Amino acid sequence: DAGVTQSPTHLIKTRGQQVTLRCSPKSGHDTVSWYQQALGQGPQFIFQYYEEEERQRGNFPDRFSGHQFPNYSSELNVNALLLGDSALYLCASRWKGAGGYEQFFGPGTRLTVL
Amino acid sequence: AQTVTQSQPEMSVQEAETVTLSCTYDTSENNYYLFWYKQPPSRQMILVIRQEAYKQQNATENRFSVNFQKAAKSFSLKISDSQLGDTAMYFCAFMNYMEYGNKLVFGAGTILRVKS
Repeated sequence: DAGVTQSPTHLIKTRGQQVTLRCSPKSGHDTVSWYQQALGQGPQFIFQYYEEEERQRGNFPDRFSGHQFPNYSSELNVNALLLGDSALYLCASRWKGAGGYEQFFGPGTRLTVL
Repeated sequence: AQTVTQSQPEMSVQEAETVTLSCTYDTSENNYYLFWYKQPPSRQMILVIRQEAYKQQNATENRFSVNFQKAAKSFSLKISDSQLGDTAMYFCAFMNYMEYGNKLVFGAGTILRVKS
């Protein structure tokens, strides 16, 4: 059973560019959350997708947007990149059913903005 | 809004000894879960242990156990018989399961180094 997968593993961009990160949830999971983890800090919640809609959003600007596809995979898009967007981006999936509180994390995408 | 505080940026322990990591949280909610996650250098966040707030009994998973003090809003992790593979960053996390979306709120983490 494959776990949560993310691509790419590493990414280097320059300020002002746009980036798309991808996530495939664990088999049987239908809810995907994205987190930003700056170096030496805990993950911060960006947003969550369920049934192809953004269900909850953290304190992140509109430059951060996302999408969920019918197969439950998800993309995170960041426009007009800033140096401060450099971080590890984590995707987590879970099952919406009763008791599906545990979130399973992917290995993350390391984004460096120069 | 909920906050999670981990006051120990770094800890070290000798192999086979016991170590306790501290976590406090602030919430006005009654229905929540608490978690400890482990993040080794490979970056993969792994769930170590969870605690439902309505349960008085402290959770235990093999060498890992928690001390959950609901009134004090404290949730510490005890690792017994520490192993070299326990070296990692440990995060305490809070989830209000009545909140739409059930996001996780993380602390800043504690780096644990197990020495041989």
